[in-house]
Amino acid sequence: SQELEQSPQSLIVQEGKNLTINCTSSKTLYGLYWYKQKYGEGLIFLMMLQKGGEEKSHEKITAKLDEKKQQSSLHITASQPSHAGIYLCGARRRNDRSSNTGKLIFGQGTTLQVKP
Amino acid sequence: DADVTQTPRNRITKTGKRIMLECSQTKGHDRMYWYRQDPGLGLRLIYYSFDVKDINKGEISDGYSVSRQAQAKFSLSLESAIPNQTALYFCATSVGGTGSDTQYFGPGTRLTVL
Repeated sequence: SQELEQSPQSLIVQEGKNLTINCTSSKTLYGLYWYKQKYGEGLIFLMMLQKGGEEKSHEKITAKLDEKKQQSSLHITASQPSHAGIYLCGARRRNDRSSNTGKLIFGQGTTLQVKP
Repeated sequence: DADVTQTPRNRITKTGKRIMLECSQTKGHDRMYWYRQDPGLGLRLIYYSFDVKDINKGEISDGYSVSRQAQAKFSLSLESAIPNQTALYFCATSVGGTGSDTQYFGPGTRLTVL
């Protein structure tokens, strides 16, 4: 099983609708990163969360890290076709002795389609 | 111009061939990484490098080797390609030495081994 579980694995929404993607770990997270990937292309960095309870927003995308630092959610408000793609969460584990290397583990990704 | 570039972008090769994928960056970052992406598995780390003298294995290094020719260049080699190495390969860089250490990714190389 994946150390980072994303849900749902895929999502189809109508343009204008809100949606939420979750990223869950069984271990405490040292840092949580959200990336967006268009099909077959590179990953674009969206946001990074480090503190429990932290929340960041960029345009219509908001990400939160829960107080226990074991789950993060990505919320998109009033979705647009430009939001379509694969969203990946990546994380460093808190007690990983190699955490200062910047090594990341990734979830399997959530594929988002937005219908016009 | 892109900060992290990868060449080639697409490659089709045959089993047993030696393949090199190249990564260059203009971000001035010390750390560089190679990942592969497979459907349903997310990204998995192959090798990473702190600087030109420091190279480390990731979680799936078997069958791969790397070379850090300069701060800006990090190459991944498949000595004898096999079909299960068919994947999308990404290079990433990070500045290192900070709390956040965000990784920035190249556009990827799609490799097919027949």
